[in-house]
Amino acid sequence: LAKTTQPISMDSYEGQEVNITCSHNNIATNDYITWYQQFPSQGPRFIIQGYKTKVTNEVASLFIPADRKSSTLSLPRVSLSDTAVYYCLVGDVRDDKIIFGKGTRFHILP
Amino acid sequence: ETGVTQSPTHLIKTRGQQVTLRCSSQSGHNTVSWYQQALGQGPQFIFQYYREEENGRGNFPPRFSGLQFPNYSSELNVNALELDDSALYLCASSLAVSGANYGYTFGSGTRLTVV
Repeated sequence: LAKTTQPISMDSYEGQEVNITCSHNNIATNDYITWYQQFPSQGPRFIIQGYKTKVTNEVASLFIPADRKSSTLSLPRVSLSDTAVYYCLVGDVRDDKIIFGKGTRFHILP
Repeated sequence: ETGVTQSPTHLIKTRGQQVTLRCSSQSGHNTVSWYQQALGQGPQFIFQYYREEENGRGNFPPRFSGLQFPNYSSELNVNALELDDSALYLCASSLAVSGANYGYTFGSGTRLTVV
């Protein structure tokens, strides 16, 4: 399982676009990049997954450069409801388990 | 389609006691994984169950044990509780097909406090 590094915390004003970058230098060929969101006292929730280039859904966009050694989760026009911990995970869908790092704590500035 | 449900939602136990936490997996899923999440930390993998057998284990002592039932629901048992066992315990179900795992879905967890 590839190790990931992401900022411990980030903050922003409401309405801004927020980009959270994750480094995964030893990503393997079969690995996908997955982001989860966790609100306080709830379980993590799948946000988005990608292999290369760009993936977009109704919640976020995921940008993956050609070398795949990093990825950026982009949250458009954040609001208070986006206050959460965001986890970047790298692994093969054939993996028996998913492993979490410490995540990035995101909050809105007053 | 029902999601993952865990019970109880909150629990207070005394050091040295035993506890059983329960998890009902999402409809259509056949694999259950358990995680421990201490305050301010990411979830730590405890173990996974597939076809009623343990299928992978994290760095947790044997006093953490589990079961999976024919309907794919699961239990996590912790014996000889310690103060450090206080945490949010999360259950996740997924569908294992041909060696791949899909659709990890987490429950809201059980908040265990050991006093």
